[in-house]
Amino acid sequence: EVQLVESGGDLVQPGGSLRLSCAASGFTFTSYWMGWVRQAPGKGLEWVANINRDGGTEQYVDSVKGRFTISRDNAKNSLYLQMNSLRDEDTAMYYCARHGLFAFEIWGQGTMVTVS
Amino acid sequence: DIVMTQPPLSSPVTLGQPASISCRSSQSLVHSDGNTYLSWLQQRPGQPPRPLIYKTSNRFSGVPDRFSGSGAGTDFTLKISRVEAEDVGVYYCMQATQVPWTFGQGTKVEIK
Repeated sequence: EVQLVESGGDLVQPGGSLRLSCAASGFTFTSYWMGWVRQAPGKGLEWVANINRDGGTEQYVDSVKGRFTISRDNAKNSLYLQMNSLRDEDTAMYYCARHGLFAFEIWGQGTMVTVS
Repeated sequence: DIVMTQPPLSSPVTLGQPASISCRSSQSLVHSDGNTYLSWLQQRPGQPPRPLIYKTSNRFSGVPDRFSGSGAGTDFTLKISRVEAEDVGVYYCMQATQVPWTFGQGTKVEIK
């Protein structure tokens, strides 16, 4: 079964750091771009970052550039999001998602980050 | 950035009747490779998003054929031919033609 499982969400103070993880299973991880999408409580979806198959290309939304870093460990079938200098507005459910056909075709259940 | 615009709420729909959701982009979504990277997702209450449509009109595997997508350029539509109770939720369009990828604000579908 194709599956993405996020972890690492927590309550953190403004200015703090957090590292999210996403464990992938059931597919060849190295064949896919991956990304993170977030959703603030009661709000819509916001794309955060993408990373290509070998980790050599990263893309970010402007609001997180310089603060967040997306990375992957293909040997561990894992995706990460290192979040530094966290702000109140970063409070959200963070979803890990697999790319496919220039869309997000597989989603995890999400991990909640609260900055307060 | 490309801004995606959706109405926040669709007209309440009767079970078994059709529903239509619109999405407009602030600029053409035609990529330099000739494809239009517009997708649709459904989010039921308390659930992660579920992908429905990619490249404007193609259904992902397992998506019922009552869902269909259409459009071109800057105007796109998701149609549900016969609404079922399980279709209640928020529907988002998303463009992947240009970074940053952007979502519409979401349209809530309710049953009358």
